[in-house]
Amino acid sequence: TQLLEQSPQFLSIQEGENLTVYCNSSSVFSSLQWYRQEPGEGPVLLVTVVTGGEVKKLKRLTFQFGDARKDSSLHITAAQTGDTGLYLCAGYGGATNKLIFGTGTLLAVQP
Amino acid sequence: GAGVSQTPSNKVTEKGKYVELRCDPISGHTALYWYRQSLGQGPEFLIYFQGTGAADDSGLPNDRFFAVRPEGSVSTLKIQRTERGDSAVYLCASSSSGGPTDTQYFGPGTRLTVL
Repeated sequence: TQLLEQSPQFLSIQEGENLTVYCNSSSVFSSLQWYRQEPGEGPVLLVTVVTGGEVKKLKRLTFQFGDARKDSSLHITAAQTGDTGLYLCAGYGGATNKLIFGTGTLLAVQP
Repeated sequence: GAGVSQTPSNKVTEKGKYVELRCDPISGHTALYWYRQSLGQGPEFLIYFQGTGAADDSGLPNDRFFAVRPEGSVSTLKIQRTERGDSAVYLCASSSSGGPTDTQYFGPGTRLTVL
């Protein structure tokens, strides 16, 4: 069974601070995705990383895929209150079309 | 265009009752997925449809859970003899063709509470 463990589980920071969320697995993934979910809504895709070592930037968000394609990180620079939400990593394992989601990181950015 | 919609948004039922949850995918999307999410956790895969057929139902927890997509668009998730442990948010997603590089678009979910 492929599992994706995220850390930390919960993070509360002040506006303007930086943070990093980690997503780790013992299995290799062909690609990893990051989603953000707000209360009462479904997850929304932020980015997909497909190549080991790949770094993608989306404004203040930086995503990295590990060289061995077993882990990924999300770094947010100068967090804003609008960044508050549940951050989820997810991956497709092998030939399956089902997404395996990580355990989630709940981020609260205080004004 | 319209996104994925799910009805009802909230469903409260009593233990032992039967419930149906509906998903309207994005028009033209051939792939449809059902997930279950507990509070603060990541969604857990239940079943994946490609057109009218269930291509992967390995996530359905037991035979009380069943899903259909008779015309390849709208899907219904059916839960028989509900138990308190079935309480969760049930999410539906659709994608254009179901490939691993496709983006899955999620609906807002149905919050099921079993008393």
